[in-house]
Amino acid sequence: QVQLVQSGAEVKKPGASVKVSCRAFGYTFTSYYLHWVRQAPGQGLEWMAMINPIGGDTRYAQKFQGRLTMTRDTSTSTVYMELSSLRSEDTAIYYCAGGYCSGDCYFDFWGQGALVTVSS
Amino acid sequence: EIVLTQSPATLSLSPGERATLSCRASQSVSNFLTWYQQKPGQAPRLLIYDTSNRATGIPARFSGSGSGTDFTLTISSLEPDDFAVYYCQQRANWPPITFGQGTRLEIK
Repeated sequence: QVQLVQSGAEVKKPGASVKVSCRAFGYTFTSYYLHWVRQAPGQGLEWMAMINPIGGDTRYAQKFQGRLTMTRDTSTSTVYMELSSLRSEDTAIYYCAGGYCSGDCYFDFWGQGALVTVSS
Repeated sequence: EIVLTQSPATLSLSPGERATLSCRASQSVSNFLTWYQQKPGQAPRLLIYDTSNRATGIPARFSGSGSGTDFTLTISSLEPDDFAVYYCQQRANWPPITFGQGTRLEIK
């Protein structure tokens, strides 16, 4: 059974960094691209970044350039999202999602989400 | 960046009725249009990809159509479980991948 299991909730102060993990189970790790998508409270979905697990190539939304790093560890089938210089507007549920990205690019399966709260 | 505009923002219907949800792109996305369903407290679920292909396990009452800039998600006969928020998403000319703001489908 394909599954993405994320790390738990985090509370951070403004200016700090947060690192969220997402471990894949039930499939060959290199078979699907993995993404980070966030959702602020009561708001819509926002795509942040993508990684190709085979070579580690990444793409980022320009909005997060310089502040966001997505990495992967093939030995543990885990991807990581690190967001720095946190501000209150970064309070959101952070989802990892996996799927195909040839032709269309869509999210076939999702993690359970990790709530990141930024508050002084 | 391609902007997706969904309408209506809220749709109030009764079980058994037909639902028609719209997604309009600020420029052509070819057929690279995807639909998701999200219920409170849950991650989104993939419904439709490549405009009209149902994902695994999605009932036949869900269908997608359109091309270029105008797309539609149709639910032919609403079941109680269908009341949720629906998002469209595109990947043409990415990054970024973008989502619409969502349509809330509520019970009338």
